[in-house]
Amino acid sequence: ETGVTQSPTHLIKTRGQQVTLRCSSQSGHNTVSWYQQALGQGPQFIFQYYREEENGRGNFPPRFSGLQFPNYSSELNVNALELDDSALYLCASRLNGGNPAGANVLTFGAGSRLTVL
Amino acid sequence: KQEVTQIPAALSVPEGENLVLNCSFTDSAIYNLQWFRQDPGKGLTSLLLIQSSQREQTSGRLNASLDKSSGRSTLYIAASQPGDSATYLCAVRFSGGYNKLIFGAGTRLAVHP
Repeated sequence: ETGVTQSPTHLIKTRGQQVTLRCSSQSGHNTVSWYQQALGQGPQFIFQYYREEENGRGNFPPRFSGLQFPNYSSELNVNALELDDSALYLCASRLNGGNPAGANVLTFGAGSRLTVL
Repeated sequence: KQEVTQIPAALSVPEGENLVLNCSFTDSAIYNLQWFRQDPGKGLTSLLLIQSSQREQTSGRLNASLDKSSGRSTLYIAASQPGDSATYLCAVRFSGGYNKLIFGAGTRLAVHP
């Protein structure tokens, strides 16, 4: 068991709709990252949140946004869905400021598979 | 541009073989390198993490090496088993900035009885 849970596991949306994906981080992990994994590809970094503020962003447009809450949960919101947004969305958490070895290890959730029709 | 490449893209071997998966990266200034396993439709399971100051890490039948100067890492799997069938992903955290991982596209491994 990874300690990071994501919901929903699967969902289907139509082009132009909005979606919210949720993540519950491992207890005590103050940093959460979101990745997008298209079929047959490696995950791509979307953004990272630390203490409820975005502190890093990959090459994704502003319609991808997020929130992090004090209870270690977080959300990924995608507006104006496009067909190419169909992918597995992975949440990963870690403890920033812990012992050096432990702080480097990201713990991933099982992902939310989004299909855009 | 910081990139990670994995070869081969797919590999099929009989049970019991020792095998090597390759990962290369474009910038030798790395913070660490991590190997993950991903089963179909599932999330990522961390296998081995190598810090930039280390040359290798071992866990059971798995051994990962790191050569920063040549921009390469290998994952060695000894005595492969059908349960090893999965996609193996290499991810690099390059120096500077935040804890962002850059992934290769993975090697899809099939071990047949």
